[in-house]
Amino acid sequence: RKEVEQDPGPFNVPEGATVAFNCTYSNSASQSFFWYRQDCRKEPKLLMSVYSSGNEDGRFTAQLNRASQYISLLIRDSKLSDSATYLCVVMLKTGANNLFFGTGTRLTVIP
Amino acid sequence: ETGVTQSPTHLIKTRGQQVTLRCSSQSGHNTVSWYQQALGQGPQFIFQYYREEENGRGNFPPRFSGLQFPNYSSELNVNALELDDSALYLCASSLGLATDTQYFGPGTRLTVL
Repeated sequence: RKEVEQDPGPFNVPEGATVAFNCTYSNSASQSFFWYRQDCRKEPKLLMSVYSSGNEDGRFTAQLNRASQYISLLIRDSKLSDSATYLCVVMLKTGANNLFFGTGTRLTVIP
Repeated sequence: ETGVTQSPTHLIKTRGQQVTLRCSSQSGHNTVSWYQQALGQGPQFIFQYYREEENGRGNFPPRFSGLQFPNYSSELNVNALELDDSALYLCASSLGLATDTQYFGPGTRLTVL
């Protein structure tokens, strides 16, 4: 079983739409949670950390449900520049600070 | 930009050859992690170095090895290359083991023919 599972998409949405991504993680000992963004043929870049209380950064809102082992990302008022792959990531601190990545969800925002 | 650099940017090798990839961490960062990202997949953890010592390893065979130098730069060595080693190799630096945030370099794209 994979450590992190997410819907690979693709999601094709019009500009201005609201889109939600979800992922689940298998290890209840996971300690830290993130969403990374990866543009085509580029490195992953940290979009935001995810906390149980939920957190918001402009048009982006992330939620964590530890009981369900579920992480979400909501993007409001989608922009063309939001087109990218969004990677759900969890960290297990078992000696190494090892990041486990989902396969990513591809988002294309259409004019 | 993250301040993490990797070289080379692209590399083509043949099966059975050996390759060395290099990573310079962000200034002040003493921890470097290496990841392999195959096409269409998320990155997979190879190993992590903290203050020149290996500090954890993922599910990769021993032909994947590494080093970290006193200036905290790092190398990833892969021996006896296989076709399935074709991937984007990413290094990420972080400030110690207590911090969660890892900053990725641009990656080295390795093609094995």
